Amino acid sequence: GESVGLHLPTLSVQEGDNSIINCAYSNSASDYFIWYKQESGKGPQFIIDIRSNMDKRQGQRVTVLLNKTVKHLSLQIAATQPGDSAVYFCAENVNYGGSQGNLIFGKGTKLSVKP
Amino acid sequence: NAGVTQTPKFQVLKTGQSMTLQCAQDMNHNSMYWYRQDPGMGLRLIYYSASEGTTDKGEVPNGYNVSRLNKREFSLRLESAAPSQTSVYFCASSVEENQPQHFGDGTRLSIL
Repeated sequence: GESVGLHLPTLSVQEGDNSIINCAYSNSASDYFIWYKQESGKGPQFIIDIRSNMDKRQGQRVTVLLNKTVKHLSLQIAATQPGDSAVYFCAENVNYGGSQGNLIFGKGTKLSVKP
Repeated sequence: NAGVTQTPKFQVLKTGQSMTLQCAQDMNHNSMYWYRQDPGMGLRLIYYSASEGTTDKGEVPNGYNVSRLNKREFSLRLESAAPSQTSVYFCASSVEENQPQHFGDGTRLSIL
């Protein structure tokens, strides 16, 4: 089974509200996490990343929080806009065959923004 | 800015046919990856190439082969397509391992 999962498969928010998308991971050795946004018919688009030596990282309108104690990752989107409607994936970095750059993706959360 | 380019965008195959999916990146990235995405699922890693001249298996390599043709290009081959390989295939690249991966827009492959 997948080591990365999401608590909510769908999330509906009002335009202008803040959105919070949650993710649980099970591999305590993971040291790098990424959030991706995927629009219909497109490939995943990088949003923000965080390494395990940090608890919080901010970008433009987005914040990622990492709680290593409970193995939980969240993405906060401020002032959600219709253009934020998409599927959001979290991913954790795991090792395959000694390499260190391979991502395990969660199943995704669909964010719908109501005007 | 092209980024990661995948060809073809769509393909329909019959069971047993062979097919090569092409991927090229113009960002001078060292690492390249192939994933598949099935309905309602996240992406699963098929193969990756940490640097030019190396390739390694990911989570779901069975039924696939890859070639890192040069630094820019990384192809995925299905030697004998099976219906279970119906999926959307994504190629990605990153500067190095453990860095953000940048994705193409996918190849939608149906096997009848």
